[in-house]
Amino acid sequence: QVQLVESGGGVVQPGGSLRLSCAGSGFPFSAYGMHWVRQAPGKGLEWVALISNDGNNKFYVDSVKGRFTISRDNSKNTLFLQLSSLRAEDTALYYCATQGFCSSVACYAHHFDQWGQGTRVTVSS
Amino acid sequence: QSALTQPPSASGSPGQSVTISCTGTSSDVGDYNYVSWYQHHPGKAPKLMIYEVSKRPSGVPDRFSGSKSGNTASLTVSGLQAEDEADYYCNSGTNNWVFGGGTKLTVL
Repeated sequence: QVQLVESGGGVVQPGGSLRLSCAGSGFPFSAYGMHWVRQAPGKGLEWVALISNDGNNKFYVDSVKGRFTISRDNSKNTLFLQLSSLRAEDTALYYCATQGFCSSVACYAHHFDQWGQGTRVTVSS
Repeated sequence: QSALTQPPSASGSPGQSVTISCTGTSSDVGDYNYVSWYQHHPGKAPKLMIYEVSKRPSGVPDRFSGSKSGNTASLTVSGLQAEDEADYYCNSGTNNWVFGGGTKLTVL
C-alpha cells in the first residue's frame, strides 16, 4: 500500500526558512519522479516543484524559483522541499505526490498519482 | 503560467449527471492528451479520478468519465451520489503542470 507522509511544517516569520520532508513507502520510491503541490487558504491547488526519479532534473513554478529547492534521498525514500526567503503568500498546505505510475507494460507520467495528507506552513510575524 | 479555466461551481440532484469543463489553450489542453482530474474533500488528500483525458484508475467508479474537444476537457459524473460532493480540479499534465481554479460540486 502506497503511503506518503509529509512533515516539517510550522509557523515561520517572513524571510525565514523551513525544510519539508515526505517519506514514501509501499512503492519503488527511486523509480518515480516526485512533486510538491500546495493549497493556500481558500484557494485552489498550485503545482510547486518536480524532481526526476534520479534527482538530476528539477522544475519549479516561477513564483518560487530561487527561493525553494526540491531534493530527494533515494536511500531513505524521502523527498524534501527547502523553503527560504518565505513570504506571506507561501502560507499553504503542502502536499507531496508521485509523478504518475508504471504498470507492467507502460508508464504514465503526466499526472499526480498518489498524494500525502499534507503539512501546513504558515508565514506570519 | 495561466491557470486553466473551470466554472467555480456545479450542482445536481442525486442520480443526475453533471459535467465540469476545463478550458486551456492550444499550447496545453489542446495540444496534448495529458489532462487529469482530481477530487478533493477539504482536509483530505486529493484523489486522482481521471488521467490522460479519459483513463480511469482502478477503484474509481465508472460513473466518472473524461473527454476532450479542442482546448476544453470535461469531467462527467453520472448517477450523482452524496459522496461526490467535493472540489474538483483539472491539470494540464504539460511542462508547467497548471491546475484549473477548481469547481465546487454540490449534490442537492
